[in-house]
Amino acid sequence: GEQVEQLPSILRVQEGSSASINCTYENSASNYFPWYKQEPGENPKLIIDIRSNMERKQTQGLIVLLDKKAKRFSLHITDTQPGDSAMYFCATMLSGSFNKLTFGAGTRLAVCP
Amino acid sequence: EAAVTQSPRSKVAVTGGKVTLSCHQTNNHDYMYWYRQDTGHGLRLIHYSYVADSTEKGDIPDGYKASRPSQENFSLILELASLSQTAVYFCASSDAGEVTEVFFGKGTRLTVV
Repeated sequence: GEQVEQLPSILRVQEGSSASINCTYENSASNYFPWYKQEPGENPKLIIDIRSNMERKQTQGLIVLLDKKAKRFSLHITDTQPGDSAMYFCATMLSGSFNKLTFGAGTRLAVCP
Repeated sequence: EAAVTQSPRSKVAVTGGKVTLSCHQTNNHDYMYWYRQDTGHGLRLIHYSYVADSTEKGDIPDGYKASRPSQENFSLILELASLSQTAVYFCASSDAGEVTEVFFGKGTRLTVV
């Protein structure tokens, strides 16, 4: 199986600053690493993902870094806004596993004005 | 956008009763999943299916059954609901391609009393 650890569990930042969330995984065969944002009462929505053949990916104020040697990946939200306040989940997927996801426990991000 | 529809959206069930949660997808996806989310935690996989008329156990299958009568429909069945099964349940689907996005429904909030 796979275990994913996500830290921190709670993150409070000032509007306009950056926020970083870190995840580590155990299975070196994991090859897909999505990040989901979940707002209260809503379903998790994919915001950015990275595959194992990449080390960095950036889109619309989001940066994902992947360090396969350390089995660690991270999400960086630049210039945070109140609308970024939500739960964020990292996940991993193993090749050949019918696209099953293993999730971290989540990070509650609060962006304070 | 991919559509995964769950019903009901919320339900109160009595301990020992039978509960059926339904999921319908119009994405023509081969893979479907049931995840459970406990308050403030990540999602955990209960059952999944990679083809109609077949289901597989996920990481936490005890106390749950699943049924996939067609490509579009995937049900989660609690034969004898227990208090510990109070949670939010998410259905999801993905294409059969290697490492592809997983789309989630809006969830069913189940309260067992």
